[in-house]
Amino acid sequence: GQQVMQIPQYQHVQEGEDFTTYCNSSTTLSNIQWYKQRPGGHPVFLIQLVKSGEVKKQKRLTFQFGEAKKNSSLHITATQTTDVGTYFCAGPFGSGGSNYKLTFGKGTLLTVNP
Amino acid sequence: SAVISQKPSRDICQRGTSLTIQCQVDSQVTMMFWYRQQPGQSLTLIATANQGSEATYESGFVIDKFPISRPNLTFSTLTVSNMSPEDSSIYLCSATTGGNTGELFFGEGSRLTVL
Repeated sequence: GQQVMQIPQYQHVQEGEDFTTYCNSSTTLSNIQWYKQRPGGHPVFLIQLVKSGEVKKQKRLTFQFGEAKKNSSLHITATQTTDVGTYFCAGPFGSGGSNYKLTFGKGTLLTVNP
Repeated sequence: SAVISQKPSRDICQRGTSLTIQCQVDSQVTMMFWYRQQPGQSLTLIATANQGSEATYESGFVIDKFPISRPNLTFSTLTVSNMSPEDSSIYLCSATTGGNTGELFFGEGSRLTVL
């Protein structure tokens, strides 16, 4: 079936270090989304990437969409304790052309040592 | 944007009973979904809640176990029927306004523990 694979499963860093999580799809995606879930919270949308090779930045966060639109990455520069949480990528796998049914990766849990 | 309220936020239930979770959105949304998330795990889509008609279920989920209603654009319920300990999980309501970003908004979740 359609899958979204995400690595690593866990990442522990010292505050100030960089962090990257990677997402790979078994099929070409029309778009990919990233969500952040703080411990005890609910997923919150970060960004959507649509174009092949697209790169978007949000302050210290850099998101990339691969040329083949089958992989993506999220890079955080100089992590802070506020970055703690699980980062999920998600791709649409809806039938009948639906772009809104998302399959989520397993997520990467980021912990930051102050 | 959309703000989603879910209740109950948590509950402890006895085996064999059923529980209904309510989801209210503060604005009209195009699509509503129900996800399940085991603690520390990813999100699994249960079904798409369709307004005024039967929900569309994903593989592994059936209407008899997870009946869903959506009587209008902003409200939906999910019932977990005949619960067993394996149903212990967080159930998340989500919705999209259908904008260009395709963003999903999530409720705070309902944490169910089945004894």
